[in-house]
Amino acid sequence: QQPVQSPQAVILREGEDAVINCSSSKALYSVHWYRQKHGEAPVFLMILLKGGEQKGHEKISASFNEKKQQSSLYLTASQLSYSGTYFCGMTSNTGNQFYFGTGTSLTVIP
Amino acid sequence: GAGVSQSPRYKVAKRGQDVALRCDPISGHVSLFWYQQALGQGPEFLTYFQNEAQLDKSGLPSDRFFAERPEGSVSTLKIQRTQQEDSAVYLCASSLVGRPTQHGYTFGSGTRLTVV
Repeated sequence: QQPVQSPQAVILREGEDAVINCSSSKALYSVHWYRQKHGEAPVFLMILLKGGEQKGHEKISASFNEKKQQSSLYLTASQLSYSGTYFCGMTSNTGNQFYFGTGTSLTVIP
Repeated sequence: GAGVSQSPRYKVAKRGQDVALRCDPISGHVSLFWYQQALGQGPEFLTYFQNEAQLDKSGLPSDRFFAERPEGSVSTLKIQRTQQEDSAVYLCASSLVGRPTQHGYTFGSGTRLTVV
């Protein structure tokens, strides 16, 4: 039931771009994106509700393809502060379940 | 409070001991989730409350795990007869509504449980 993310890990130099993908085998109501730094709680980045919706948050944006049950997170001109593990999260139609994806470790180096 | 508060922050238990982990969600938040996060892994869903009702407990790994939220605010996750595989960080998250549309879930800092 857990959404699958790719890639599992990525290393970027400051200023480079990255895309993180998330796909689910179940019908979805919404997609969330979170970033978790080591030893800390996950922090909410954004939520996408409708198929095809796109959102932006600083230089981080995301899209949600409801038909394909997929979402992608786009990080542009990466900064050192972007380092962490990124998780997508998907809510079932009932809202009773919220599952995190498998996670993508992102490391930005100078 | 301003955020989700979890206590204790760290807990060391001897194998076989019972433990109780507390979550104090943001005041007025209807939804409350518990997650288990093993080292290097993503959070895994345990259970979900809407107010005092436990609507989903499908993620609880065994009948040694029990969660409650009797008055629809503070929640307690109890683990009986702890085993080494229970060692993990236990995260609590809450939200104002059952299916958030603008803001996601707010997570507490977690309780790191180590069973020795």
